[in-house]
Amino acid sequence: GAVVSQHPSRVICKSGTSVKIECRSLDFQATTMFWYRQFPKQSLMLMATSNEGSKATYEQGVEKDKFLINHASLTLSTLTVTSAHPEDSSFYICSARPPSWTDNTGELFFGEGSRLTVL
Amino acid sequence: AQSVTQPDIHITVSEGASLELRCNYSYGATPYLFWYVQSPGQGLQLLLKYFSGDTLVQGIKGFEAEFKRSQSSFNLRKPSVHWSDAAEYFCAVGRYSGAGSYQLTFGKGTKLSVIP
Repeated sequence: GAVVSQHPSRVICKSGTSVKIECRSLDFQATTMFWYRQFPKQSLMLMATSNEGSKATYEQGVEKDKFLINHASLTLSTLTVTSAHPEDSSFYICSARPPSWTDNTGELFFGEGSRLTVL
Repeated sequence: AQSVTQPDIHITVSEGASLELRCNYSYGATPYLFWYVQSPGQGLQLLLKYFSGDTLVQGIKGFEAEFKRSQSSFNLRKPSVHWSDAAEYFCAVGRYSGAGSYQLTFGKGTKLSVIP
């Protein structure tokens, strides 16, 4: 199946710094990628939809200035957590789907996730 | 808005026993339904999905799920559990968002523990 990769898998940073997480589709082009956040022992919450070449669409309650999303190419979307604070510590997961599947029954592929710890 | 309920937070079964994980959804239209499995510190792997057609869906690793519209349920089953099945299981409902893609709403997950 298609492969989606995230980097870094783990990152620890100091409060107030910014952290960038990359999501790459390794063997397909993705016009749309999704970013999720997962709190410990909780479900995945959709944060935003990343659209190649245009602005991301954020879910209600997600601060767009806090979580900057850039989808500069068909294989890369980045999530930057700006001025990170301890409450931003979480597991961030991206997903994508090959656009060649023109029907709406294809599988979404998920990255391995990135665990952010803010001290 | 769609929502997903997984009533069981944690289930423990003995290896070789049968398994059923419950999932109820709320969605105004015909739902796209999914089951994913997540191992500790890992991303999600799709077990199976339902879009239309046969309401009994076969997935990977010997899992199956049955869509029951009258009960708004999509329960996951496996006749004989293996120790390697211990993981977190998420049910999700998908909303088509255009351009051949869709957004997923996840349940809170059910953690499965397997006793050797």
